[in-house]
Amino acid sequence: DTEVTQTPKHLVMGMTNKKSLKCEQHMGHRAMYWYKQKAKKPPELMFVYSYEKLSINESVPSRFSPECPNSSLLNLHLHALQPEDSALYLCASSLRGRGEGETQYFGPGTRLLVL
Amino acid sequence: AQSVTQLDSHVSVSEGTPVLLRCNYSSSYSPSLFWYVQHPNKGLQLLLKYTSAATLVKGINGFEAEFKKSETSFHLTKPSAHMSDAAEYFCVVSPAGTSYDKVIFGPGTSLSVIP
Repeated sequence: DTEVTQTPKHLVMGMTNKKSLKCEQHMGHRAMYWYKQKAKKPPELMFVYSYEKLSINESVPSRFSPECPNSSLLNLHLHALQPEDSALYLCASSLRGRGEGETQYFGPGTRLLVL
Repeated sequence: AQSVTQLDSHVSVSEGTPVLLRCNYSSSYSPSLFWYVQHPNKGLQLLLKYTSAATLVKGINGFEAEFKKSETSFHLTKPSAHMSDAAEYFCVVSPAGTSYDKVIFGPGTSLSVIP
């Protein structure tokens, strides 16, 4: 099973709201990723967790706060977002995340609209 | 510096005719190379992966790609296009020697299939 699940599928939020995106995998992968994808563009890396520790933060604004409660779960907490943050947010996982050219498996994404 | 170029931003083919999506990469070391497909409003699905075991890689749904080191290319082909192949295709490089599974996305090629 190479499935990564994401909830919710769609999210509409105001600029003062607090919401969370959830990602889950049961493949035993120890690396998990958050990407942001705007229309007609490739995904842009936001965060990387390896063995439940944040290893990469690609200079993402603090209104995005990642959390990795255990090896299967990855959350992205959202607060005081701007309309330009509207995008498809993709979660991915890979076996170890140690620079060995592993395959990343992507979830279906959460479509976020900030009003 | 590592980079990925997809030579065509849009390709249009008739149903039943061959598909060729072109990808060139720049990498200091032997990289892992991937092709992903993204259907509208969906996540990314792995089509195939090159890891140096064989230069001709077969993937899902009849796609294959050939790694040519001398040309630094990894073009994606399919003998006969199907309507369901209409999607965005990303060529992805995972350079060796990074501290995590950093991947570099090409800009994408949008494939249209005409009935």
